[in-house]
Amino acid sequence: QKEVEQNSGPLSVPEGAIASLNCTYSDRVSQSFFWYRQYSGKSPELIMSIYSNGDKEDGRFTAQLNKASQYVSLLIRDSQPSDSATYLCAVRGGGGSNYKLTFGKGTLLTVNP
Amino acid sequence: DTGVSQNPRHKITKRGQNVTFRCDPISEHNRLYWYRQTLGQGPEFLTYFQNEAQLEKSRLLSDRFSAERPKGSFSTLEIQRTEQGDSAMYLCASSPQGGSSREQYFGPGTRLTVT
Repeated sequence: QKEVEQNSGPLSVPEGAIASLNCTYSDRVSQSFFWYRQYSGKSPELIMSIYSNGDKEDGRFTAQLNKASQYVSLLIRDSQPSDSATYLCAVRGGGGSNYKLTFGKGTLLTVNP
Repeated sequence: DTGVSQNPRHKITKRGQNVTFRCDPISEHNRLYWYRQTLGQGPEFLTYFQNEAQLEKSRLLSDRFSAERPKGSFSTLEIQRTEQGDSAMYLCASSPQGGSSREQYFGPGTRLTVT
């Protein structure tokens, strides 16, 4: 069974700090990795995608991928109260299942003013 | 680009009734996905369409569930003889064909409550 694991949190950081969210996955042939943000009662919103080992930066967000360790992370710099949400890690498999996403349960982030 | 739309946004039904949800993907997105999300869980894959062809149906979908995408545009998800365990958020996502096809964009979801 392909699994994606995240710490459920809650992760609490002060405003302006760096929030670090982590995710591990079990399927070694996974090719694509995504971070979604989900506000309470709303649907997931894609915020980052990463396909190659290393870092990818977009504004205050940096995604990091290490395929050898089967590890993906998301850093949020200068955290704002509006970043308070559940962050979902999603993994797209390789081979015949390379279209569906497998999600973790999400990490609840709270940014305190 | 108006985004993925879903209707209705909320549905309350009594156990045993049939319900149908609609999803309109982003225009020109030929791939469409249905997921289900329950409280405290991430979305779980239900089924996938490429154009009008349904290419996979998850084991999570019992025979009471059926999905269609008759003309390769909008899709419907029907649940027959609803059960309380069907209460969840039903999410539709779409993606384009091509290099960016790995990215899936979600609609607002339909929240189903079975009483």
